[in-house]
Amino acid sequence: DGGITQSPKYLFRKEGQNVTLSCEQNLNHDAMYWYRQDPGQGLRLIYYSQIVNDFQKGDIAEGYSVSREKKESFPLTVTSAQKNPTAFYLCASSTQYTGELFFGEGSRLTVL
Amino acid sequence: GEDVEQSLFLSVREGDSSVINCTYTDSSSTYLYWYKQEPGAGLQLLTYIFSNMDMKQDQRLTVLLNKKDKHLSLRIADTQTGDSAIYFCAETPSSGNTGKLIFGQGTTLQVKP
Repeated sequence: DGGITQSPKYLFRKEGQNVTLSCEQNLNHDAMYWYRQDPGQGLRLIYYSQIVNDFQKGDIAEGYSVSREKKESFPLTVTSAQKNPTAFYLCASSTQYTGELFFGEGSRLTVL
Repeated sequence: GEDVEQSLFLSVREGDSSVINCTYTDSSSTYLYWYKQEPGAGLQLLTYIFSNMDMKQDQRLTVLLNKKDKHLSLRIADTQTGDSAIYFCAETPSSGNTGKLIFGQGTTLQVKP
């Protein structure tokens, strides 16, 4: 089945540690995205990539980093510079033609 | 700038109709979307409407678009307990990257038996 797989689903981190969230898609989509979701707020765009080896900052990129070495993969690193990293992180992909985003099941990061 | 607004909460009884409203600011949006998010999960596309349409119906779902007022609504007929979720309205930005959607805050729909 085609889809987007995020891992891990739950992650706990101590302050000062970097963590990397995985996102893999087998939909053959060119574009991939990382969103952050906080309670009572909409989705805020962290980074996006429209093609391999290229990515752009979204609205809240500070304290995060990404890479896009393969079309299928778009990992997100939450660095120690991110002041409030506890959140639900959603990865998505799209074909760019209809704009429809396909989402993974999300990763919940908790900083202890 | 671009902005999408939704009310945060709606409660209905099972079997009633639900209407979730959304206002947006970018009149050049090409598509407008409704996504559903169940607890602890990602978002699923429910339906979308092209900006040159006024209405779209898909089984129990009816989307109405008022371009003059920049108002979008989602009506769910015969609401069931399984419809309890967060519903997000989203628009395509005028920048042209159709995948970089602008989302509303989400409306939590509570369906009481």
